[in-house]
Amino acid sequence: SAVISQKPSRDICQRGTSLTIQCQVDSQVTMMFWYRQQPGQSLTLIATANQGSEATYESGFVIDKFPISRPNLTFSTLTVSNMSPEDSSIYLCSVRDRVNEKLFFGSGTQLSVL
Amino acid sequence: GENVEQHPSTLSVQEGDSAVIKCTYSDSASNYFPWYKQELGKRPQLIIDIRSNVGEKKDQRIAVTLNKTAKHFSLHITETQPEDSAVYFCAASRMTGTALIFGKGTTLSVSS
Repeated sequence: SAVISQKPSRDICQRGTSLTIQCQVDSQVTMMFWYRQQPGQSLTLIATANQGSEATYESGFVIDKFPISRPNLTFSTLTVSNMSPEDSSIYLCSVRDRVNEKLFFGSGTQLSVL
Repeated sequence: GENVEQHPSTLSVQEGDSAVIKCTYSDSASNYFPWYKQELGKRPQLIIDIRSNVGEKKDQRIAVTLNKTAKHFSLHITETQPEDSAVYFCAASRMTGTALIFGKGTTLSVSS
């Protein structure tokens, strides 16, 4: 399976600021996704990170709040903009193996907004 | 879009008992159904998956069954052990590279 490096692993931020989360994969993957996991909740898909084009966002998530970049097949970033305490959550990068279609997660970023 | 319902939300069993978690999905085009185990403070880990051309798959103490007609699939854990205690998530997707949609999770507690 792909090795997925995600950073930072955790951060404490002030409201109104922005945080960029990085996701690096050790092999070229077709599909990269960003999920959010609020405390005690399930995994909610934020967006699909498309290489070379704009990300595809799920209902309830917008580009102005969660801009995503994917400059190549092995790297993506998610920015959480103008943060509020409601954005406190774990953010997970995930990739889908191009051969067996299995989905794997990065180690996650625990974000706390004060 | 796809919607995945998962039951029960919590499940408590005695060590050695069996545990069953059930999920239903809404999109008849979905054909890939994985299960993930998430321990406290860790990332979800894939434990078993099944594709729509198979009705059942087993891996040691874990098995998954799929009923495409009824659009539901289940996770079966036999001879449960305390280390099986975790949150389990089911998911569904089409295999053509789309994202997984997850159920709300089941917290399994195995007491010794």
